[in-house]
Formats: sequence, C-alpha cells, structure tokens
Amino acid sequence: DVVMTQSPLSLPVTLGQPASISCRSSQSLVHSDGNTYLNWFQQRPGQSPRRLIYKVSNRDSGVPDRFSGSGSGSDFTLKISRVEAEDVGVYYCMQGTHWPPWTFGQGTKVEIK
Amino acid sequence: QVQLVESGGGVVQPGRSLRLSCVASGFTLSNYGMHWVRQAPGKGLEWVAVIWHDGTTKYYGDSVKGRFTISRDNSKNTLYLQMNSLRDEDTAMYYCARSIRGVISEFDYWGQGTLVTVSS
Repeated sequence: DVVMTQSPLSLPVTLGQPASISCRSSQSLVHSDGNTYLNWFQQRPGQSPRRLIYKVSNRDSGVPDRFSGSGSGSDFTLKISRVEAEDVGVYYCMQGTHWPPWTFGQGTKVEIK
Repeated sequence: QVQLVESGGGVVQPGRSLRLSCVASGFTLSNYGMHWVRQAPGKGLEWVAVIWHDGTTKYYGDSVKGRFTISRDNSKNTLYLQMNSLRDEDTAMYYCARSIRGVISEFDYWGQGTLVTVSS
C-alpha cells in the first residue's frame, strides 16, 4: 500500500500570513495514463471533507484562489497564500493512483495563532 | 444540486450487524462509482470500500474485508454498506463519496456522514 506522509501535523498560522503543507508518498503517483492522482481535502470542524484540489494542482469550483497545489512524482504541497479564519480545519492529501486501497495522509490541523 | 445523504447509523453491540444507506440526488448515480470512507472519533480518514458505477467491481479495505459488503441500487439512487460482525474498532463516522465513471479516484462530493458506535 502507498503510505502518505504529511507535515507538519499541526500548523498555527497568523491571519493574513501564508501556510504550506507537505505531502509525500512512498512511491511515485504518476499513473500509466500520464495523470497524477493526488487530491487535497479540507475538513472544517464538525463538517464532512470537501475536495479542494484534484490531480495535484486543479482547483475545484468555488475554492478560493488563495489555495494552490503543486508537486510531482512523490512530493506535493498545498499552499494557502493568506490564511483566513474560515480556513481553520484539518487538511488531508489522498492518493488515487495505486489502488486499492486509496490512502490518505494523517491530516494537518490548521489553526489561528 | 448534488446531494449525498447517509443514514442507518446507530449504537450496536459487538458482533451484530448494521446496514448503512446513502441516497443520491442532483445527479445520475449510474454514472458514478461510489466509495465509503470512515473516520474514527478524533482520527483521520480511512477508505473502506468502492463499487463501480454498474456494480460489476468491488474492492474493500483489509480491515473490513469478509465482514462488510458494498452494494447499490441505481433505480433507487441508493448505495449501501452491509456491516456484519461489527467490532469496537468499527466505531466511526461513515461517509459516502462519488467518483465519475472512468475516474474512480475523484471523491468530488461527500455526504454529511452517519455515525456508527459499536459498544456493549
């Protein structure tokens, strides 16, 4: 199984400042079809997960452009350019290249300092 | 708009069974593969099972293989998860999530979840 490792696991951020979350996979996530199936999800307190980013860097409809995804191979990053209060929650990366199973990172908790 | 509504959770004793449902609306369920994902209290996300759009292919996580069965009734716009021989460690919020046929790793919409508590 592909192991997804996120860092940091806790990220206190000042409002208006940038934030960055790393996600590394135990093997390359490049699929034989040429795509890299790496998603990012946001889970606000008391809510279900919401997809933010798919295939590394594609932002979902309605997701603010302060969120961006990047990376390749086995090394990926989610960046928030300027953290807002509504960004508080836990962020998960998930690989969908080598399945089953589909595997998630441990989650990174973003909170306001 | 797209909606996924889970139900069927509750408190159940170890060794007993429970069936979860996920009703889809706002889209054509038969065009989508469907996943179950669970989250134990205070923990991260764990993929549980998937079923192809037409029900022909199913996969399970190792922790539930042989005990859980995923199924669907596209005519009723409903996904199911039959959970047998429940254990304490199955206690979790269970979410359904969809993926368009041909791109089984989408997980683009999730339901609000249904809570299963296994306790004597």
